[in-house]
Amino acid sequence: GESVGLHLPTLSVQEGDNSIINCAYSNSASDYFIWYKQESGKGPQFIIDIRSNMDKRQGQRVTVLLNKTVKHLSLQIAATQPGDSAVYFCAENIYAGNMLTFGGGTRLMVKP
Amino acid sequence: EPEVTQTPSHQVTQMGQEVILRCVPISNHLYFYWYRQILGQKVEFLVSFYNNEISEKSEIFDDQFSVERPDGSNFTLKIRSTKLEDSAMYFCASSERGREAFFGQGTRLTVV
Repeated sequence: GESVGLHLPTLSVQEGDNSIINCAYSNSASDYFIWYKQESGKGPQFIIDIRSNMDKRQGQRVTVLLNKTVKHLSLQIAATQPGDSAVYFCAENIYAGNMLTFGGGTRLMVKP
Repeated sequence: EPEVTQTPSHQVTQMGQEVILRCVPISNHLYFYWYRQILGQKVEFLVSFYNNEISEKSEIFDDQFSVERPDGSNFTLKIRSTKLEDSAMYFCASSERGREAFFGQGTRLTVV
């Protein structure tokens, strides 16, 4: 049968380097996207969001890029720190109040 | 900073028993959600609640599940007769405008 648990793609970076985490979303009707960070045993933590009328949005040390043509989202983390080590999920939303659909996640490991 | 709080953090129950998971959403938020995450897997939507009624639910949210907002602050998820496969982390989330959703730290439900 199917193995238990996802085999998460893992990105391993050196402390201080920039990280880029990618996500392919599923629904062309989605017009709002969020990146979440999830540390072990904790709930998803909101990092940054972007609406479909934008292709880039910057936060503190993070940038989200949206390419609607190919339904692709990326999260860039500048000067990655050990505290950034976590699983990162993208989530998409079609309309206000609608559920969030989560992607499969990427594990980011930061080497000191 | 306001946050979503969930109790208990861990609940162990016998198969067939009823459980109630409790959440206090962020106070000015109008949209409430329950999600679950089976160990090592991605976050899955269960139900959304707005204006005192369910606005959307997934296939997972069958007749064994119910939600309630018994007063102005609490939001509960009840599982009437738990099954082994209900073992998961259950996350409550809330949103002011139905877009950005903020998650609690979760309740780990273990059905034995």
